[in-house]
Amino acid sequence: GDSVTQMEGPVTLSEEAFLTINCTYTATGYPSLFWYVQYPGEGLQLLLKATKADDKGSNKGFEATYRKETTSFHLEKGSVQVSDSAVYFCAPAYSGAGSYQLTFGKGTKLSVIP
Amino acid sequence: KAGVTQTPRYLIKTRGQQVTLSCSPISGHRSVSWYQQTPGQGLQFLFEYFSETQRNKGNFPGRFSGRQFSNSRSEMNVSTLELGDSALYLCASSLAWGYGTGELFFGEGSRLTVL
Repeated sequence: GDSVTQMEGPVTLSEEAFLTINCTYTATGYPSLFWYVQYPGEGLQLLLKATKADDKGSNKGFEATYRKETTSFHLEKGSVQVSDSAVYFCAPAYSGAGSYQLTFGKGTKLSVIP
Repeated sequence: KAGVTQTPRYLIKTRGQQVTLSCSPISGHRSVSWYQQTPGQGLQFLFEYFSETQRNKGNFPGRFSGRQFSNSRSEMNVSTLELGDSALYLCASSLAWGYGTGELFFGEGSRLTVL
């Protein structure tokens, strides 16, 4: 079935370090791709999205590019802050048979230390 | 604009009992989805409702059920609780599912502990 593979965590970085969280998905059709973030004690919120190949989603200094040829949507940030400490979820959205469903990765916990 | 509201936020039940969780979506949103989040399995899709109709269902036993009311509010019910049902249950709403936006707005969740 449709699935997504996300880099295992936890990831611990020092402030201002470069962040990459890898995400690959199964290439069933052309899913829209999303990154969601969950801060401690909160629900998930959309971080960024890309709906077609070569699109780049960006928000709050985070970026991810829809790579159809490698079926990837890696999340990057050039300089992380302590406030970026959270769990990050990659989520392709597959459609078919009249439905449209997000499939979430396992999540990658990021801890940023001062 | 109020966000997605889930009640109760925390609850403790014992095995064999049943539980009902409630979700009020963002005003104007007609689609409500439910997810179960556990440390071992991550986020798993339970079901989605749109205009009072279940449009999609995940791979969960029949003990898990849900419904949506005409005002788009939704409830999910778990009967004959098992220890493994302990989880954070997340509700998410969206304007109109299936039209390509894909953006879900999540509530803070209802944390269920089964003893």
